[in-house]
Amino acid sequence: KAGVTQTPRYLIKTRGQQVTLSCSPISGHRSVSWYQQTPGQGLQFLFEYFSETQRNKGNFPGRFSGRQFSNSRSEMNVSTLELGDSALYLCASSLTGGETQYFGPGTRLLVL
Amino acid sequence: GEDVEQSLFLSVREGDSSVINCTYTDSSSTYLYWYKQEPGAGLQLLTYIFSNMDMKQDQRLTVLLNKKDKHLSLRIADTQTGDSAIYFCAVSYGGATNKLIFGTGTLLAVQP
Repeated sequence: KAGVTQTPRYLIKTRGQQVTLSCSPISGHRSVSWYQQTPGQGLQFLFEYFSETQRNKGNFPGRFSGRQFSNSRSEMNVSTLELGDSALYLCASSLTGGETQYFGPGTRLLVL
Repeated sequence: GEDVEQSLFLSVREGDSSVINCTYTDSSSTYLYWYKQEPGAGLQLLTYIFSNMDMKQDQRLTVLLNKKDKHLSLRIADTQTGDSAIYFCAVSYGGATNKLIFGTGTLLAVQP
């Protein structure tokens, strides 16, 4: 069974731009969560989607948004990028939520 | 609030046992996880334990949970150079949600 896939793997943007990251969960998994990893703040929960609905949200500004499609694939969007948004963005999937989560390789975003 | 802490660094010799410790604040945890992260990679699930268990063994890995002290540990027997990585403990708080609270991570350095 294929694991969680994320695209793109690397991205360079400039301040003020927006970016969209994609995550395809493990086949059959319907819950997708997003995390941001930075050297200063560590791993922080962004949001979780299940059945195309946001079920939980972390403490991030409204510039961070996401969505989930009917095939459980998810995208997250960051608008008006700031230098501090440079991070590794990790996606994780599980069957329905609350069970073991499996992480993708991440998208490394650099904002210049 | 929810807080998870780990020591930052552990150095061991190849063949020795490694013990990585984690403490958490919220006693309503349900699942506790150990993830491994190698340079430039995502998070690899190593093992997990339910909050109603005291111990779980999985090949070279032993997880101990002391709920009274809110302390979780991961013991790696016969540590190899390939075990060098950052190890994260993570805590979930039940319900149909995937939100994980991560520790700061422990860098394990294995000396040959």
